[in-house]
Parts: sequence; structure tokens; C-alpha cells
Amino acid sequence: AQSVAQPEDQVNVAEGNPLTVKCTYSVSGNPYLFWYVQYPNRGLQFLLKYITGDNLVKGSYGFEAEFNKSQTSFHLKKPSALVSDSALYFCAVRDLYGNNRLAFGKGNQVVVIP
Amino acid sequence: DAGVTQSPTHLIKTRGQQVTLRCSPKSGHDTVSWYQQALGQGPQFIFQYYEEEERQRGNFPDRFSGHQFPNYSSELNVNALLLGDSALYLCASSRDRNGELFFGEGSRLTVL
Repeated sequence: AQSVAQPEDQVNVAEGNPLTVKCTYSVSGNPYLFWYVQYPNRGLQFLLKYITGDNLVKGSYGFEAEFNKSQTSFHLKKPSALVSDSALYFCAVRDLYGNNRLAFGKGNQVVVIP
Repeated sequence: DAGVTQSPTHLIKTRGQQVTLRCSPKSGHDTVSWYQQALGQGPQFIFQYYEEEERQRGNFPDRFSGHQFPNYSSELNVNALLLGDSALYLCASSRDRNGELFFGEGSRLTVL
């Protein structure tokens, strides 16, 4: 089955420093990969996706992600973190059955320290 | 343009009871998916509805059932509630069965 792993529970970063949230994937065939963000007591908001094409994907709110096939990774990055970026971040992969059935990782709590 | 709306936002039930959660998709969307997010976990796919039929189902027991209406809105029903059913239930809609998912803010169910 398609799956993603987010190895870190929490990422702490100082405001203004680069932010990286890690994700590795395991799939059969070509991966369709996503990043979502969740603020407290809110639903999920779409940040970006990789389907095909350039390995560097640009998304919302200044976020980008780098697809690396050899390392089976899809890390989320932001050059300069803001306090407002503090939230829960989920990596997801489209399931083998397609049709928008996503398999999510357990999530990473990001804390941006002022 | 309203996004995905869910009701109720919070509810408390006791073991053995039944619950119905409701979802109105984003305008122009015809496909609705439901996810369960337990505390500290990522969302887990429950099922997807398209053209008023269940099209995909995740690894959830038959106690979880749903419905889609002609106006594309959807309900999630859970019977014989267990403590482990306590979670945030997220509804997501898309323009079609392969379109981008838009999530609602969820219904938080607490089972006592």
C-alpha cells in the first residue's frame, strides 16, 4: 500500500530561519504527493502537490517542496519561517486506488520561536 | 463562495448511541470524502461518495455508513458508538473523483 512517513514529531525553528519538514514515501508506481497544514481546531489546508515535472514544487504561503526520487523523499521547506507558520503539517500520498483517496502521515508539529 | 461546511462543530455522545454528521461541499463540487482524525494522528480515509453512491471505502467497520443527496451534500452515520470513535471527522469535497480536495473544519466527536 502507498504510505508516507514523517520521522519527526516536532520541529522547532527560530523566526527568520529556514524551515524544513521531512517526509519519505513508499509507493508502487509514480507517486502523487501532497502537503497540507492544519491550524488548531481547523480543517486541513492544501499547500502544494507533486504529480510530475519539476522536482521543486512551489506552493502557498511561501512554501516549497523538493521531490527526490532516489531518496524517496518529499521534504517541505520555507526559506524564512514566521511565527504564524506554527501549525501541524501533514504529508500525504494518493492511494493506489486513486480517486482522491489519500494516505496521510502522522503529522509534524512546527513551532516557530519569536 | 462558501467552502466546505460541516455540522455540528462539536458534539458529545455516550457509548452505544448513534451519531449523524453533515457536510455541504464547496460550490461546483460533486464528490465528497470523509476522513477520521484521531488525536495525534493523521486523517484516515473512511469512504468517498460520488453520484449518490459509495465508490471507495477504507478499513472501517459497517457501523460507519454514509449517504449523498442529489444536491451533493453528504451525511456520515456511526452506530453503536465506541470510546475509540472519539475523533475529528473531516469532510473533503472535490470537483470530480480525481480533483483537488478541499477540507471542511471538521466535526469533533467525543464519546463518553
